[in-house]
Amino acid sequence: AQKVTQAQTEISVVEKEDVTLDCVYETRDTTYYLFWYKQPPSGELVFLIRRNSFDEQNEISGRYSWNFQKSTSSFNFTITASQVVDSAVYFCALSEDTGFQKLVFGTGTRLLVSP
Amino acid sequence: DTEVTQTPKHLVMGMTNKKSLKCEQHMGHRAMYWYKQKAKKPPELMFVYSYEKLSINESVPSRFSPECPNSSLLNLHLHALQPEDSALYLCASSQELAGSSYEQYFGPGTRLTVT
Repeated sequence: AQKVTQAQTEISVVEKEDVTLDCVYETRDTTYYLFWYKQPPSGELVFLIRRNSFDEQNEISGRYSWNFQKSTSSFNFTITASQVVDSAVYFCALSEDTGFQKLVFGTGTRLLVSP
Repeated sequence: DTEVTQTPKHLVMGMTNKKSLKCEQHMGHRAMYWYKQKAKKPPELMFVYSYEKLSINESVPSRFSPECPNSSLLNLHLHALQPEDSALYLCASSQELAGSSYEQYFGPGTRLTVT
C-alpha cells in the first residue's frame, strides 16, 4: 500500500533562513509519481512540482529545490532564503501508475516564516 | 491559464437546507475531482469525473450528490448535511484521468459550515 510520511508537523524560521521539508514515501510499484503542493492560508492548493520515479535528477526553480533519492525513498523540498510569503502548509503526495490511483497525501508540514 | 474557480467562497447552511457548490475550469481538462478537507488534515478524495462521467465515488454518503453538466463544470449538491460535514470543499481538475501522472490543479475551495 502507498504511504507518504511528513514527520515535521510545523517548522518556524526567520526570514532569509534556508529550510528543508522532508517527505518519505512507500510504494510497491516501480512506476510512480511524486508531487509537492503548497496551501497558503487562503486555502487553495498550489501545484509546485511533479516527479516520476525514473527521473532522479534534482530540480531547482528559483528559491525552490527538490532532492529525489530512490535509495532512501525520499523527496525533500528546500526553500532557500525563505520569505514571509512562503508561510503555508506544504503537502507531499504520491500516486502509482496502475490504472487510476488516487493522490495519497502526507499529513503536511506547516511552515511559519517570521520577519 | 491554470485556473479553477469555485463558488461560493463561504457557505453556512442548516441541516435541512439544500445548497450547491459550483466549480469551473477552462483549461480543457477532462478529469475533475471533489475533495473534502478538515482542519489540519490533508484533502480526502470524494468523487472523480472523467469525460463527464462519474468514475470514482469514494463511498461518500448520499447526502452529497455530484453532477457534471459539461466538461467545464462540476457541481456538488448538498442536502440534509450534518455538522460534521463542515469542512473546506476543494475542486480540482487534471488533463486526463487515465494513468496518474497528470498534476491536479485546485480551486480556492468553499468553506462550508453546517449549523
